[in-house]
Amino acid sequence: QVQLQESGPGLVKPSQTLSLTCTVSGGSISSGSYYWSWIRQPAGKGLEWIGRIYTSGSTNYNPSLKSRVTISVDTSKNQFSLKLSSVTAADTAVYYCARDSSSWIFDYWGQGTLVTVSS
Amino acid sequence: DIQMTQSPSSLSASVGDRVTITCQASQDISNYLNWYQQKPGKAPKLLIYDASNLETGVPSRFSGSGSGTDFTFTISSLQPEDIATYYCQQYDNLPRFGGGTKVEIK
Repeated sequence: QVQLQESGPGLVKPSQTLSLTCTVSGGSISSGSYYWSWIRQPAGKGLEWIGRIYTSGSTNYNPSLKSRVTISVDTSKNQFSLKLSSVTAADTAVYYCARDSSSWIFDYWGQGTLVTVSS
Repeated sequence: DIQMTQSPSSLSASVGDRVTITCQASQDISNYLNWYQQKPGKAPKLLIYDASNLETGVPSRFSGSGSGTDFTFTISSLQPEDIATYYCQQYDNLPRFGGGTKVEIK
């Protein structure tokens, strides 16, 4: 059973960079034709896809965030990571990592981690 | 960008009722639509993929239908554990989620 777990600071100052890591267990991040995504959800609001990475390093990003987002993968640690630069209060949200089984079907999710942007 | 209009935004129904949620795409997305259930404080859970395919382990009271621009998600007999917010998600281009439908017990 694949499990995903987000980790990283829960509080980030405005203008700084948000950094999160997703650790995958129960299987190799490199096995199968899977992409690995980040999705976020502001409190009381809907879901927004941020971007994804394949284990080859190929990435896709939401155009609305592309200029500020970097997603990377470390197959040796079975992890992938998110960096979001120049954050503002609007980036305050629960951030989820998820497996994209194929063609944008998110079949496994982490429990989510709340990141608050505040000074 | 393809926009998704999900309705209603909330509904209240009795246990045993049939519940229907709709999702309309701004352009033809074939069957590129998934449905998720999100309980309070939890991550979304995949229920239906490719518009009508039931994810493994999901109860058969959940179903999906539709293609093109109009899609329907149905709970055939609402149960207390189905209280949640339900989201549609299209993936014709980049993934985009609907606004969600909060389902409550009357």
